[in-house]
Amino acid sequence: AQSVAQPEDQVNVAEGNPLTVKCTYSVSGNPYLFWYVQYPNRGLQFLLKYITGDNLVKGSYGFEAEFNKSQTSFHLKKPSALVSDSALYFCAVRALNSGNTPLVFGKGTRLSVIA
Amino acid sequence: DGGITQSPKYLFRKEGQNVTLSCEQNLNHDAMYWYRQDPGQGLRLIYYSQIVNDFQKGDIAEGYSGSREKKESFPLTVTSAQKNPTAFYLCASTPLTAPRDYGYTFGSGTRLTVV
Repeated sequence: AQSVAQPEDQVNVAEGNPLTVKCTYSVSGNPYLFWYVQYPNRGLQFLLKYITGDNLVKGSYGFEAEFNKSQTSFHLKKPSALVSDSALYFCAVRALNSGNTPLVFGKGTRLSVIA
Repeated sequence: DGGITQSPKYLFRKEGQNVTLSCEQNLNHDAMYWYRQDPGQGLRLIYYSQIVNDFQKGDIAEGYSGSREKKESFPLTVTSAQKNPTAFYLCASTPLTAPRDYGYTFGSGTRLTVV
């Protein structure tokens, strides 16, 4: 079975400081990993993905994520947070060789960037 | 512009009524999904369809029904058997031929409230 854990319900960070939103996963075999962002009363927007290759993935709006196979983690990072980054962030996973099974999403982490 | 359209944006249902949520996409995507979002619980999969006339149960299918008669349309009916239907409903799609290279494209959601 596939699963995703986002251990923090809420992350608070001051504007200009680096931010990290944590994600760990469990799949059989190699994973496809995604990060999405959701603004209030909106659908989810794709930020970035890891499939294969470089463990550091760069995405939209200056976000990046680091894939760590030994720790089964895919933490989202940004060097300098903006107030406009405040939103709900979701990590998602599916196994590489699972056919077309749906993505499994974490419970989400609410990021609050304080001016 | 291509995308997914969910309607209505807000929907109010009386106890014992069935309601149907609409999801239409013009992206020529093969697979479509319905997720339910509740505070603190992330996204939970209700139903999904990988091609026309395919319709598969997700993790929380009880009390819901639907169909996939056309590639671009994936309506979801919330029946009176659904005990707690108040939630935010999200529809998503992805091309089947390269799901590994794409994240999902999400609609803007329908907020259903039982009154």
